[in-house]
Amino acid sequence: DAGVTQSPTHLIKTRGQQVTLRCSPKSGHDTVSWYQQALGQGPQFIFQYYEEEERQRGNFPDRFSGHQFPNYSSELNVNALLLGDSALYLCASSLGQLTGELFFGEGSRLTVL
Amino acid sequence: DQQVKQNSPSLSVQEGRISILNCDYTNSMFDYFLWYKKYPAEGPTFLISISSIKDKNEDGRFTVFLNKSAKHLSLHIVPSQPGDSAVYFCAASEVGSNYQLIWGAGTKLIIKP
Repeated sequence: DAGVTQSPTHLIKTRGQQVTLRCSPKSGHDTVSWYQQALGQGPQFIFQYYEEEERQRGNFPDRFSGHQFPNYSSELNVNALLLGDSALYLCASSLGQLTGELFFGEGSRLTVL
Repeated sequence: DQQVKQNSPSLSVQEGRISILNCDYTNSMFDYFLWYKKYPAEGPTFLISISSIKDKNEDGRFTVFLNKSAKHLSLHIVPSQPGDSAVYFCAASEVGSNYQLIWGAGTKLIIKP
């Protein structure tokens, strides 16, 4: 049973560029949430997708956008990258919105130079 | 403004003894609390949760205590084992937020043999 998979695991971009991160949820899960974790901090909620729609959004600018596909996989896009966007981006999946028990992937480490 | 605080960045405990990890929160609307464990290069893994209608929840060696009046929760691990060495995150969600989690910064637990 495949868990949550994310790609790429590491990437380096320069300021102003755009990045797309990908996530496949755990088998049977239909809800995907994205989190940003800066060094030495806890994860911060970016947004959540359910039934291909953004259902909730944290305090992140519109440069952060996402998408969920019919197979429940998801993408996180960040435009006009800033140095402060350097972080570990975590994808978490769950079944519906009925539980706070999330299953996380290993994350995508983004470095912006 | 940190709504969930883990004031101890690290904690060192002898194998076999009790580990106590603490978490404080400021938002009285939080009604669901979780603990996650994170190993290096892995995503966080759900450990145990507690609803605000309870003051204690046990799962094997892990017990979470909730003191609503003090806005404080703690995770007890008894007995501590070397495999428990990890970063532990406390997270909370607010009534009606569909389990949008607010996370603490984490406490690194080191179990000494």
